[in-house]
Amino acid sequence: SAVISQKPSRDICQRGTSLTIQCQVDSQVTMMFWYRQQPGQSLTLIATANQGSEATYESGFVIDKFPISRPNLTFSTLTVSNMSPEDSSIYLCSARPPGRRTEAFFGQGTRLTVV
Amino acid sequence: QQQVKQSPQSLIVQKGGISIINCAYENTAFDYFPWYQQFPGKGPALLIAIRPDVSEKKEGRFTISFNKSAKQFSLHIMDSQPGDSATYFCAASEITGGGNKLTFGTGTQLKVEL
Repeated sequence: SAVISQKPSRDICQRGTSLTIQCQVDSQVTMMFWYRQQPGQSLTLIATANQGSEATYESGFVIDKFPISRPNLTFSTLTVSNMSPEDSSIYLCSARPPGRRTEAFFGQGTRLTVV
Repeated sequence: QQQVKQSPQSLIVQKGGISIINCAYENTAFDYFPWYQQFPGKGPALLIAIRPDVSEKKEGRFTISFNKSAKQFSLHIMDSQPGDSATYFCAASEITGGGNKLTFGTGTQLKVEL
């Protein structure tokens, strides 16, 4: 299995500011994913981040709002830009170990509250 | 458009009973169907998964039943325990295409009472 660590685990931010969430995997992985989960709701994929290429965003999510970096095979960041209260959510990082074409592991999530 | 529909939204089961959660999908290209378990404050953890070439998979107290023609699959938790109280998500993805993106169901909050 892969161990995924996210930082921060939670934060309270002022509207109009930006927050960068870090995701560290304990092994090299090809694909990393960022999800959003509203409290009590399902997970919605924001984007897929491959090392060495630009992230691929899902419908409804844009790079200007959620810029993603993937500088190497064990690390990625998601920035939530120009935040509004509607961005209050749990943000989850996920990764798939090499050779495991299906199984995905998740970090513990970052609980973001925008006030 | 919700590609994976999950029911019920919440479920209360007595200790020792059977918990059953159902999911249905539309996209016939889906070829991998995992179930995830999520405890409060934690990320989802893979519980069990199935491919459409089998109709049932069992791991301990957890069983997935799969009906390809009906495009439905379900999770059965036998001898449910209070420690099983969590939120369960079904999911689906295309192994060969779609970048292995997981599409999640809406989740089921399970509570197992003593």
